[in-house]
Amino acid sequence: EPEVTQTPSHQVTQMGQEVILRCVPISNHLYFYWYRQILGQKVEFLVSFYNNEISEKSEIFDDQFSVERPDGSNFTLKIRSTKLEDSAMYFCASSEGARGWRVFQETQYFGPGTRLLVL
Amino acid sequence: SQKIEQNSEALNIQEGKTATLTCNYTNYSPAYLQWYRQDPGRGPVFLLLIRENEKEKRKERLKVTFDTTLKQSLFHITASQPADSATYLCALGSGNTGKLIFGQGTTLQVKP
Repeated sequence: EPEVTQTPSHQVTQMGQEVILRCVPISNHLYFYWYRQILGQKVEFLVSFYNNEISEKSEIFDDQFSVERPDGSNFTLKIRSTKLEDSAMYFCASSEGARGWRVFQETQYFGPGTRLLVL
Repeated sequence: SQKIEQNSEALNIQEGKTATLTCNYTNYSPAYLQWYRQDPGRGPVFLLLIRENEKEKRKERLKVTFDTTLKQSLFHITASQPADSATYLCALGSGNTGKLIFGQGTTLQVKP
């Protein structure tokens, strides 16, 4: 069964450093997302991405964050200058998208996550 | 502001019984509601989706109801098994961007 994959599984970085988290969404999916989950807290939406552009972003997703689909398979989240409070589990998700005339994006399939620790 | 509440305390039940989890929301009109399962240190796993015009959905031992008047969804696991022990997340969505808003989750513990 197709699944979303993420690398690395764990990342430790120093405050102020740049990190890039990588995701390979399910191959025929058209919508891509990043969420994060701080330890013990709820899963929070960061950004959705469709047709090579951001379709929605949350207040968390400030100028320090960016997303990119550099090729036909990868989807990346970059944090330019990490802060201590960026420490969290970051999940990538994808959903199917268009089916005939209608765009379906409801069911999202999540990757296993990247645990980011900023020291 | 939008708020989603799930049973904050863990739910402990005996194997074979039906587990019922609650998701309440305010200040929101979702087009659909989803339930996910999350195991410790893992990503959420999709279980069921129900749309605003649907009252009930079933999948094997799982059943979800959606009452847009009460602004509530109930998630049932019948004939529960120890393997069902996990945290269950309620997530609401609307609009065209796919953004999901999650509740904090309810931890279910099924004892043999």
